[in-house]
Amino acid sequence: AQTVTQSQPEMSVQEAETVTLSCTYDTSENNYYLFWYKQPPSRQMILVIRQEAYKQQNATENRFSVNFQKAAKSFSLKISDSQLGDTAMYFCAFMNSFSGNTPLVFGKGTRLSVIA
Amino acid sequence: DVKVTQSSRYLVKRTGEKVFLECVQDMDHENMFWYRQDPGLGLRLIYFSYDVKMKEKGDIPEGYSVSREKKERFSLILESASTNQTSMYLCATATGIQETQYFGPGTRLLVL
Repeated sequence: AQTVTQSQPEMSVQEAETVTLSCTYDTSENNYYLFWYKQPPSRQMILVIRQEAYKQQNATENRFSVNFQKAAKSFSLKISDSQLGDTAMYFCAFMNSFSGNTPLVFGKGTRLSVIA
Repeated sequence: DVKVTQSSRYLVKRTGEKVFLECVQDMDHENMFWYRQDPGLGLRLIYFSYDVKMKEKGDIPEGYSVSREKKERFSLILESASTNQTSMYLCATATGIQETQYFGPGTRLLVL
């Protein structure tokens, strides 16, 4: 079974600084998708970024970028120029290309606090 | 924009009560999902549905059932609520099983 590990339960960063959230996963599959979701306090979970495993180029979405290391099974999220609105729980998630009983597997989350 | 709504933001029920949590989406998505979110455990999939009247068990289906009579509506049912079902329940939808999921605001359920 696939597993997703987020080793940092909590992190903090100063406003305007850069922070990296780590995520590792375990799979024997070659084709899959990886996601970072953001859940602000008392607000809906939203997609931050998505990466297809067959693409070597790291996905980027404005101030959010990933460092996808397929051989190392690592998928970290970098937030540049951190803003107060980035304060949230961040979840890393894995999806096998050939979905079975569990379409999406989530990590336990990292709580990020951006400090003014 | 995808809109996913859940019937209640907060709910308090007594042990043994039958509880209905409803999720409605307006984007004609085929797939709908129910998760529970607990501190330190992340999100765990309870059930999902890839079509009307179709359902699949997720990782933790025990104590829950679901109903999908219409495409836009996916209900989670706690037949006899127990205190260990106190949690945040999140609904999500997607155009396909492998597509990006869009989440509702969540229902925080307290079972006393």
